[in-house]
Order: sequence, then structure tokens, then C-alpha cells
Amino acid sequence: NAGVTQTPKFQVLKTGQSMTLQCAQDMNHEYMSWYRQDPGMGLRLIHYSVGAGITDQGEVPNGYNVSRSTTEDFPLRLLSAAPSQTSVYFCASSYRDTYEQYFGPGTRLTVT
Amino acid sequence: QKEVEQDPGPLSVPEGAIVSLNCTYSNSAFQYFMWYRQYSRKGPELLMYTYSSGNKEDGRFTAQVDKSSKYISLFIRDSQPSDSATYLCAMSPNRDDKIIFGKGTRLHILP
Repeated sequence: NAGVTQTPKFQVLKTGQSMTLQCAQDMNHEYMSWYRQDPGMGLRLIHYSVGAGITDQGEVPNGYNVSRSTTEDFPLRLLSAAPSQTSVYFCASSYRDTYEQYFGPGTRLTVT
Repeated sequence: QKEVEQDPGPLSVPEGAIVSLNCTYSNSAFQYFMWYRQYSRKGPELLMYTYSSGNKEDGRFTAQVDKSSKYISLFIRDSQPSDSATYLCAMSPNRDDKIIFGKGTRLHILP
């Protein structure tokens, strides 16, 4: 099993550009989520999904879109990048009947 | 008031000491409580997971939940330099709800 994979590992964007952060898992997990981690702020939940076709907002959803068309994939779209979105982004997945979330290696995003 | 409060540290203790890490929370609906460990430039990994109040032990780690005080703790016995990491508490009301993390406490175990 590859576990949770995220691409790209690093990305630099200019203000106003859009992009998609990819997340995939091969463990057949129903629950998937996106977090951002900023210094001194801990992990903040952006969006989450309890299964294909179902998504919901977390603590900081503004400026981000998600969709869940398959169990395996949960892409995060930045619609119009802003410097405030400079962060490390983590994707995580788990079975619905357990809280053992597996985290990906993260994507370091810089918006200039 | 933020839903989950956690002292960011850093906390420095000598090798072999008992470490106590804590979080407080305001939402009485939280029932599921977790502790994650995160090494520098890595994703978090789950250490302990408890439901409702009580204690849970796993090797050198013990998790405690006091729902009446809205307070959770993680104890590390016989601390090792390899325990140096950031420890994040996390909690959720139920299985299909969002999981809220604390800011994390940076822990340094001094050899």
C-alpha cells in the first residue's frame, strides 16, 4: 500500500493563480480531510468528506473547493490564490468507524 | 474562546522524566479524543485514541479524559530523546463530524 499520497510536494504560485492539490489513498477509507498548518496555529480543518459524493466544510473553508467523485481521490482546489494561503497542506484519511487518521507527507505552498 | 486550547510550549524535560501534556476544550459535545505526534517536516501520526471519560494506557503513554472539567492529558513515562516532537490533541463530537485540533505542544527531551 502506498498509503496517502499528495502531489505536488512544493508549489509556488502568484497571487490570483488557481491550482489543485492532489490527494489519493489506496486503503479504501471512507473519511478524507484537508488541513492547513501554519506556525503557531496547529492544524485547521479546511474541508472533509465521509464518502464519495459527500463533502462538508471545516473551520477555514473560504477560498477552497473540494469534490469527492471516487473513494480514492479528494482534490483541493484553490480558486484564486492569496498570500494568506501560504501554508503546509495535509490530506488525511481513515475508516468511518475509527479515528486513526493516516496523514500524507504534506504540500508546502507559497503564494507571492 | 477557541474550541480547543493547548499550550504551545516549548516544553523541555530531562531524559527519563515523566511528561504531562494537556488540552482544555469548551464544546461539551466532544466525545472522541485523540493525541497525535508530529516530527519536524512530517505528517502527524496517531498515538492514542479514547472515547468519553477515563484512562487508556499503551506502553509508556497514558491518555486521560476528564469530561466534567473539559480537560484531557497525555502522560509519557521514561521519556526518551526520540519523544522530542510536537504533540497535538484532537477531538470530535461523533464519528461523522469534523475533528478539531489543538495548536500542538513542542516537546524537547534533553539527553
